[in-house]
Amino acid sequence: QVQLVQSGAEVKKIGASVKVSCKPSGDIFTSYAVSWVRQAPGQGLEWMAYINPYNGDTKYAQKFQGRVTLTTDTSTSTAYMDLRSLTSDDTAIYYCARHVGRNILTHLDYWGQGTLVTVSS
Amino acid sequence: EIVLTQSPGTLSLSPGERATLSCGASRSVSSSYVVWYQQKPGQAPRLLIYAGSGRATGIPDRFSGSGSGTDFTLTISRLEPEDFAVYYCQYYGSSSLTFGGGTKVDIK
Repeated sequence: QVQLVQSGAEVKKIGASVKVSCKPSGDIFTSYAVSWVRQAPGQGLEWMAYINPYNGDTKYAQKFQGRVTLTTDTSTSTAYMDLRSLTSDDTAIYYCARHVGRNILTHLDYWGQGTLVTVSS
Repeated sequence: EIVLTQSPGTLSLSPGERATLSCGASRSVSSSYVVWYQQKPGQAPRLLIYAGSGRATGIPDRFSGSGSGTDFTLTISRLEPEDFAVYYCQYYGSSSLTFGGGTKVDIK
């Protein structure tokens, strides 16, 4: 059973940055792309960005361009999401999810447990 | 950019009833790139339907997806107690993913 294990909850100040990690178990890390999706309290799902660990290709939602950076560490099979200049609107659960292939044109089959990021003054 | 509109926002039904959830796209899209997820409180989303009508592994056959062009439907033939949840449609394009706003199916 594939699992994506994310880092723990974070509390940040307005203007700070947060870095969330995601470590998929099982299958070859570079065979599957990863997307990051967030969910504000009581709200729906919002796609943020995608990364292909095989070649480092990234795609970002326009809303987050310039404020989020996705990276991977193939030596530890871990994906990272770095979000900067936090505001209270960034308070949300952040999920990583695995695509069924390397391409963005594939659906998300497994999801991490979510990481709650709370931004306060 | 594609916008997905789900309706209704909330569907109140009883166990055993049929649920029909709609997802409308702002322009015609290929059903191959339409996906449905289920999310229960405190849990991550779970893949239900991919490529418009393919059931994910372990998903009961009471769940079915259909549609084409701008109109897509998730049908739950007979609601079981564990089916009361929020359902999201999603489209993936060459440079982004888009989610609908969700439909909550709650117990009448």
